Amino acid sequence: ETGVTQSPTHLIKTRGQQVTLRCSSQSGHNTVSWYQQALGQGPQFIFQYYREEENGRGNFPPRFSGLQFPNYSSELNVNALELDDSALYLCASSRRQGWGQETQYFGPGTRLLVL
Amino acid sequence: TQLLEQSPQFLSIQEGENLTVYCNSSSVFSSLQWYRQEPGEGPVLLVTVVTGGEVKKLKRLTFQFGDARKDSSLHITAAQPGDTGLYLCAGVLYNQGGKLIFGQGTELSVKP
Repeated sequence: ETGVTQSPTHLIKTRGQQVTLRCSSQSGHNTVSWYQQALGQGPQFIFQYYREEENGRGNFPPRFSGLQFPNYSSELNVNALELDDSALYLCASSRRQGWGQETQYFGPGTRLLVL
Repeated sequence: TQLLEQSPQFLSIQEGENLTVYCNSSSVFSSLQWYRQEPGEGPVLLVTVVTGGEVKKLKRLTFQFGDARKDSSLHITAAQPGDTGLYLCAGVLYNQGGKLIFGQGTELSVKP
């Protein structure tokens, strides 16, 4: 069974640029969630995708957008990068079953640095 | 303000000591999970608790979910240097599907 993978592992961008982060979900999982973890903080929920549609969004501006593909992999896009976007971006996959009962399994994350 | 308050934020102890990490909220959660995270890696799930008053044990780790489903604790007995890491609690609110709400984390250092 393949776990959650993310690419790239590290990325350096400059302010104003755009970035795309990728995530492959664990085998058998149909839901992908994205989180932002600033240094020294717990992860913050960005949004979740289920069956290729956004299914819940946290307190993040519209310049954070995403996609989920038929194979359940996902992308996180961030436009007009700001310095505060520097963080570890985590992808988590899960299998939608009981309401609120699904367990999320995290990938290793993508470390984004915005200069 | 954090919906899930985790304490303490930092803990440095000697090998063999016991410790407890607390996770508190004024909100009721349908389930609560505990994760451990190493530097530069994603969180790894330790346990999920779903029933009020539930106690789960994982070797030297004991997890408890409060009766009212608003709080949880993680107790480690006879800590070892290999327990060093960031411990995170995360809850799921009713009516919010799979959105995990995380505490700030507890950075544990166990010295030999």
